[in-house]
Amino acid sequence: GAVVSQHPSRVICKSGTSVKIECRSLDFQATTMFWYRQFPKQSLMLMATSNEGSKATYEQGVEKDKFLINHASLTLSTLTVTSAHPEDSSFYICSARVAQTGDGYTFGSGTRLTVV
Amino acid sequence: GENVEQHPSTLSVQEGDSAVIKCTYSDSASNYFPWYKQELGKGPQLIIDIRSNVGEKKDQRIAVTLNKTAKHFSLHITETQPEDSAVYFCAASRTGNQFYFGTGTSLTVIP
Repeated sequence: GAVVSQHPSRVICKSGTSVKIECRSLDFQATTMFWYRQFPKQSLMLMATSNEGSKATYEQGVEKDKFLINHASLTLSTLTVTSAHPEDSSFYICSARVAQTGDGYTFGSGTRLTVV
Repeated sequence: GENVEQHPSTLSVQEGDSAVIKCTYSDSASNYFPWYKQELGKGPQLIIDIRSNVGEKKDQRIAVTLNKTAKHFSLHITETQPEDSAVYFCAASRTGNQFYFGTGTSLTVIP
């Protein structure tokens, strides 16, 4: 089946530094990838939609300059949290649309970001 | 946009009993309704899905029903086991578009 690999699974960084999270589709081409943020015991909040070869579409209230998304190939999308602050600490999850099936979306295993 | 509501937020059942989680949606154009299981510290895993041209779908102990007229769909888990304990999310979308997730249900199966 379609597999999405997300790395790292956990990262701790200092305030003011930047962190990059990678999301790779291992056995399919992902034309569209989604980035979510999840607070403890809450649902998934869509942050942005990235399409291969074009600029990401950000949801209202999400700072595009803070959360940089790059989708340079059909198998890789990256989310960079720039100038991280403690309030950016969260669980970040990517998902990719399996183009062949149309409806199917596969999620990565998530990244626990802690900013100290 | 779409609004998905999910109930209950927490559910405890005895092992072997059934569990039912219900979701409602607002956008009549939504045509795809997946259910995800999320274990602590992990990403959501698709457990079953249903499209708007089907009223019910079953996969072993898991079933989903859809009522398009009432705009609600439900997840049914029979013969629950402790390993079914997790957070379950419903979602609704139009084909190819973003998912709108419910608020989640924390299911605990008591041995």
